[in-house]
Amino acid sequence: GESVGLHLPTLSVQEGDNSIINCAYSNSASDYFIWYKQESGKGPQFIIDIRSNMDKRQGQRVTVLLNKTVKHLSLQIAATQPGDSAVYFCAENPSSGTYKYIFGTGTRLKVLA
Amino acid sequence: DARVTQTPRHKVTEMGQEVTMRCQPILGHNTVFWYRQTMMQGLELLAYFRNRAPLDDSGMPKDRFSAEMPDATLATLKIQPSEPRDSAVYFCASGPPGVGEQYFGPGTRLTVT
Repeated sequence: GESVGLHLPTLSVQEGDNSIINCAYSNSASDYFIWYKQESGKGPQFIIDIRSNMDKRQGQRVTVLLNKTVKHLSLQIAATQPGDSAVYFCAENPSSGTYKYIFGTGTRLKVLA
Repeated sequence: DARVTQTPRHKVTEMGQEVTMRCQPILGHNTVFWYRQTMMQGLELLAYFRNRAPLDDSGMPKDRFSAEMPDATLATLKIQPSEPRDSAVYFCASGPPGVGEQYFGPGTRLTVT
């Protein structure tokens, strides 16, 4: 797994603004990606996924964008709410047919009232 | 509301003792994963099963860790003997057939003194 260390990148966003959380993935052959939200003391919670044959996928208040050229994934949260405060992880599946997901380092989102 | 359940939620034990963690995957899910999360290493895959068969346990220290699925409703992760460096949060996750989303349990916070 990736090293997280004690200093997670932090994004502070005003309530009501849009949030963009970025993730650089490692394997150009990865064909499936997931964004997770982890609140303090809880397990990661599935938010949205995207397959490599897509560039964009939308859910409720969330959008995931995939740029395979630069191996970049982003999560956009519209109208950020206090309940969105959490650590967000991206995960990639580097080998089709297997389940050995690689998780990113995580970004802490802080929503300011 | 189907959820992955894990027991115990917290475990404090002394070095050298055996620790057993249990997981009940979501009914109908055929893949089960064990992860370990620490501040320094983030989320690491220890082992995973599909249809109760172990597919990969390369992330697990073989000399002290073992993972089993006695039946489709129970997965276990055992550490014997435990060491202080095993202190972490251990998550179980399950997933439906096919490569797709994983649903995480609440985790077992293990402290080895």
